[in-house]
Amino acid sequence: AQKITQTQPGMFVQEKEAVTLDCTYDTSDPSYGLFWYKQPSSGEMIFLIYQGSYDQQNATEGRYSLNFQKARKSANLVISASQLGDSAMYFCAMREGQASGFGNEKLTFGTGTRLTIIP
Amino acid sequence: EADIYQTPRYLVIGTGKKITLECSQTMGHDKMYWYQQDPGMELHLIHYSYGVNSTEKGDLSSESTVSRIRTEHFPLTLESARPSHTSQYLCASGYRGRRGGPHEQFFGPGTRLTVL
Repeated sequence: AQKITQTQPGMFVQEKEAVTLDCTYDTSDPSYGLFWYKQPSSGEMIFLIYQGSYDQQNATEGRYSLNFQKARKSANLVISASQLGDSAMYFCAMREGQASGFGNEKLTFGTGTRLTIIP
Repeated sequence: EADIYQTPRYLVIGTGKKITLECSQTMGHDKMYWYQQDPGMELHLIHYSYGVNSTEKGDLSSESTVSRIRTEHFPLTLESARPSHTSQYLCASGYRGRRGGPHEQFFGPGTRLTVL
């Protein structure tokens, strides 16, 4: 079974509108972390936001917020007031286990969503 | 913010050649990773290292090898390149920190490899 599922291969959104990128995950480990990365056409991966499995509140970073629904195992990324520069691939990723610095910090990535912002 | 560098950014090479993709980071991070990514697809971990003289194979089998002789340097080598090795290779690093933190990985700009 896929550990990270992103069901939207591509999305087109009007500039200034909000957009939600879907991500569901599968793990039996009670301790895990969820990440969103942005990959522009230049190829680098840019860290956007993180949600820990024990975090009580949804993570927010500027225009990015994470809609974390633990029971449904979903961690959707919400981008408010989209901009042309938001056009990129977006990847959801998961780390299973406690990131104690001595354990397993490997990330499993989803297949990504290509977001295109329309002027 | 981590500074992590990869060279070359683009490489076109013939079948059978030996190549080394360079990755260096200046933040003193213990952990380093190599991912392989085909165009428009997800990243797959092929190698990782927890520190000097530590190397492990990742989730995706790869014919490449890595070494970690210095903390800041994590090169990837292909002894005999083939067209099936054509892909983008992304290097990343991470740090040991306090328990419970995000411990996000910081990525380099990638090397786009084409083997003819």
